[in-house]
Amino acid sequence: AQSVAQPEDQVNVAEGNPLTVKCTYSVSGNPYLFWYVQYPNRGLQFLLKYITGDNLVKGSYGFEAEFNKSQTSFHLKKPSALVSDSALYFCAVGKNQAGTALIFGKGTTLSVSS
Amino acid sequence: GAGVSQSPSNKVTEKGKDVELRCDPISGHTALYWYRQSLGQGLEFLIYFQGNSAPDKSGLPSDRFSAERTGGSVSTLTIQRTQQEDSAVYLCASSLITMGNSPLHFGNGTRLTVT
Repeated sequence: AQSVAQPEDQVNVAEGNPLTVKCTYSVSGNPYLFWYVQYPNRGLQFLLKYITGDNLVKGSYGFEAEFNKSQTSFHLKKPSALVSDSALYFCAVGKNQAGTALIFGKGTTLSVSS
Repeated sequence: GAGVSQSPSNKVTEKGKDVELRCDPISGHTALYWYRQSLGQGLEFLIYFQGNSAPDKSGLPSDRFSAERTGGSVSTLTIQRTQQEDSAVYLCASSLITMGNSPLHFGNGTRLTVT
């Protein structure tokens, strides 16, 4: 069965500093990996995905994530954090198989201080 | 061009009552998903529809939960004899295709409170 772990409930970073939100996954076969963001009182929004190809994928709002197959990780990164990046971030894994749903992690709250 | 629409946005019900939650997916999206978001639990997968059929019902917590989808479009999630532990935000999402590489588009959710 697929599973996703986000080991940190909360990440705190100062504005302008780099940020990393961690994610590890478990799935049989090749994974499809996603990051979603949920701003306060807003719905979940798609940030980026890894399907195949380059291990470094770039997404919305300057975010990027690196797929590491040997470590089964897909950490979310941004070189310079903004206060407006403060939100709840979810990592998700899918399978290369029709009729399967994305499985989400428990989420990590990112807090960027000014 | 509307996104995924869910109604009601908020629902307060008494323990033991039945509730129906509605989801209108993006037009043309064949896949529809229900998730539940509880504090500290992240997003819990409930059920998935491909067209009107549900290949994966594995996430439904108990037989009090059921869902249907008609016309390949609107879906309703029904919770019978609600319990306090059912209190959560119920999220609906749709995607264009059914493979696991298709991003999901989420609605704003229905916040259910069982008193």
